[in-house]
Amino acid sequence: QSVLTQPPSVSGAPGQRVTISCTGSSSNIGAGYDVHWYQQLPGTSPELLIFDNTNRPSGVPDRFSGSKTGTSASLAITGLQAEDEAHYYCQSYDSNLTAVVFGGGTKLTVL
Amino acid sequence: QVQLQESGPGLVKPSQTLSLTCNVSGGSISSGDYYWTWIRQPPGKGLEWIGYIYYSGSTYYNPSLETRVTISVDKFKKQVSLKLTSVTAADTAVYYCARVTFGNNVDYMDVWGKGTTVTVSS
Repeated sequence: QSVLTQPPSVSGAPGQRVTISCTGSSSNIGAGYDVHWYQQLPGTSPELLIFDNTNRPSGVPDRFSGSKTGTSASLAITGLQAEDEAHYYCQSYDSNLTAVVFGGGTKLTVL
Repeated sequence: QVQLQESGPGLVKPSQTLSLTCNVSGGSISSGDYYWTWIRQPPGKGLEWIGYIYYSGSTYYNPSLETRVTISVDKFKKQVSLKLTSVTAADTAVYYCARVTFGNNVDYMDVWGKGTTVTVSS
C-alpha cells in the first residue's frame, strides 16, 4: 500500500488528453511538499518527467504538464502518442515516515 | 553527461549480504550540487527508496530498511556502494543507482542507471 495513491491504469486514444492523479495526505503533499513525476518505458529505468510540481526538464515535450493542489497532484498528457505508453510514478516526501515516497505507479495504455 | 552503471551478483542466498556498486562516469561524484541514492523495484511492482549519501559522506536511510542498509562512497574510484544484510526473498528486485538534485523542497532523481537485477534464492 503506497503512501501516495495513483490509479493502477489509465488509457486513451492517440491525440487525446489523459490525466494521472497522485493523492496524498497532510503529512506529504498536503504539508506542502513538492511532487515529481517519472516515466518508465517498458524494460527501461525511470526517467525524470516533471520536477517541482510543474517544471519540465530539458527535452521533455510540452505535451506533458504537472499541477498540484491541496493533498493531490496531477500529470496531464495531451496529444497522446503511442510512444507515451509507459508506467508513470509520482514522488514526494512524507514527514511521518521521514522518507522519500513514491506512488504505486500508473500504467498508461494508448489504445 | 554523467552516466551510472550498477553491478554486482545477480543471485544472493537468503540471510546473506547483498553488495552492489554504482560506477559514476562523465561527471564529478563529489560535487556539492548533487548526491546519490539507491532505489529498488520488485518484479512487477513500484519503486522503493532505499537511502541517500551526500557528498560529505552523510547518509540517510529509509526507516523501514535502516537496520540492514549501508551506503558508502569511494571518491577515488567514483563508486557508490550498497550493502543490504540478512536478505530474504522480499529483497528480490531491480536495484537502481540515481543522482539526486536539490529541488524546491523535495529533491529529485535526474539521472538513473540502467539497474541491476538481484534475486534472493537458495
